[in-house]
Amino acid sequence: DAGVTQSPTHLIKTRGQQVTLRCSPKSGHDTVSWYQQALGQGPQFIFQYYEEEERQRGNFPDRFSGHQFPNYSSELNVNALLLGDSALYLCASSLAGAMGNEKLFFGSGTQLSVL
Amino acid sequence: GQQVMQIPQYQHVQEGEDFTTYCNSSTTLSNIQWYKQRPGGHPVFLIQLVKSGEVKKQKRLTFQFGEAKKNSSLHITATQTTDVGTYFCAGQKSSGSARQLTFGSGTQLTVLP
Repeated sequence: DAGVTQSPTHLIKTRGQQVTLRCSPKSGHDTVSWYQQALGQGPQFIFQYYEEEERQRGNFPDRFSGHQFPNYSSELNVNALLLGDSALYLCASSLAGAMGNEKLFFGSGTQLSVL
Repeated sequence: GQQVMQIPQYQHVQEGEDFTTYCNSSTTLSNIQWYKQRPGGHPVFLIQLVKSGEVKKQKRLTFQFGEAKKNSSLHITATQTTDVGTYFCAGQKSSGSARQLTFGSGTQLTVLP
């Protein structure tokens, strides 16, 4: 039973570039959430995708966008990269629950460095 | 917006000593979850608390949810070196349709052998 997989594991970009991160959820899960974790901080919610639509969004600019595919996998796109976008990007999958109290299964993350 | 605060930020203990981390939310929560992140790793789900005043135990770990559903704590009895890592609480709001989890800043635990 495969867990949450993310690619790539590491990425180095320069300011102004664009990046795409990928995530495959745990088998049987239909919901994907993306988090940004700066060094020494807790994960910050970017957005959540369910049924191929963005269902919830955190306090991130429009430079951050995403997509969910019919097989539930997801992509996170960041345009016009800033130095401050350097962080660990975590994907978490879950099974949509009626009360919204689903637990998250995290991938190992993509470490993005912006130079 | 919703804020979740955790204290302390860092804790160093001698192996065998107890450890407690506290979590406080600015808003009433529908539930609170706890995660552990080992150095260089990713957060791993530990437990979820839903009911007011709920207490749950996992071996040496005891989790509590406050009566007002705005605070929580994690207590580890007789710490071991395997307990090293950062412990995060994550709260989900009671109101509206928000499904996002808001994470605290975490408590980084170091256990000295």
